Amino acid sequence: EPEVTQTPSHQVTQMGQEVILRCVPISNHLYFYWYRQILGQKVEFLVSFYNNEISEKSEIFDDQFSVERPDGSNFTLKIRSTKLEDSAMYFCASSELGPTNTGELFFGEGSRLTVL
Amino acid sequence: TQLLEQSPQFLSIQEGENLTVYCNSSSVFSSLQWYRQEPGEGPVLLVTVVTGGEVKKLKRLTFQFGDARKDSSLHITAAQPGDTGLYLCAGNTGGFKTIFGAGTRLFVKA
Repeated sequence: EPEVTQTPSHQVTQMGQEVILRCVPISNHLYFYWYRQILGQKVEFLVSFYNNEISEKSEIFDDQFSVERPDGSNFTLKIRSTKLEDSAMYFCASSELGPTNTGELFFGEGSRLTVL
Repeated sequence: TQLLEQSPQFLSIQEGENLTVYCNSSSVFSSLQWYRQEPGEGPVLLVTVVTGGEVKKLKRLTFQFGDARKDSSLHITAAQPGDTGLYLCAGNTGGFKTIFGAGTRLFVKA
């Protein structure tokens, strides 16, 4: 069964360092997303990406964050200068259809980011 | 701000009991989904409901979408220890953003 894969599964970094989280969405999916979940809190929307551009972003997704689809398979989230409060589980998701077409989200296993 | 409120937050029951968890909002959703999340893993989709009043069944799980498309419920019949997990509702109001509730953490004791 096709699945969304994420790397690394866990990354520990020093405050102020740049981090890149990688995702390989399901191959025939067109819509890509990043969500985060701080320990014990709800899953929060960060950004959606369609047709090689950001389609929507939340207030969390400030100038320190960026997304890219550098090739036909990878979808990355970059945090330029990490802060302590960026520590969270980051989930990549993809969907075949858009949300307004009841596009169902398929999530990866997540990348746990710990900022020290 | 769109919010999805889930209740109860925690539920601990004995194997064989029935239970219902709720997802409520003041917003109208074009679709609403239920996910289940295990510790350290990503949410896994259980069902999508799109029509007001819609009822969907998945084995012992029954999902209902409110007539006004602002709320939903998940009913589990004869709960089993394997049902233990975090149940999340998520909704879309028409953009590219799907928002999640905080979840109901269910524990089913054998």
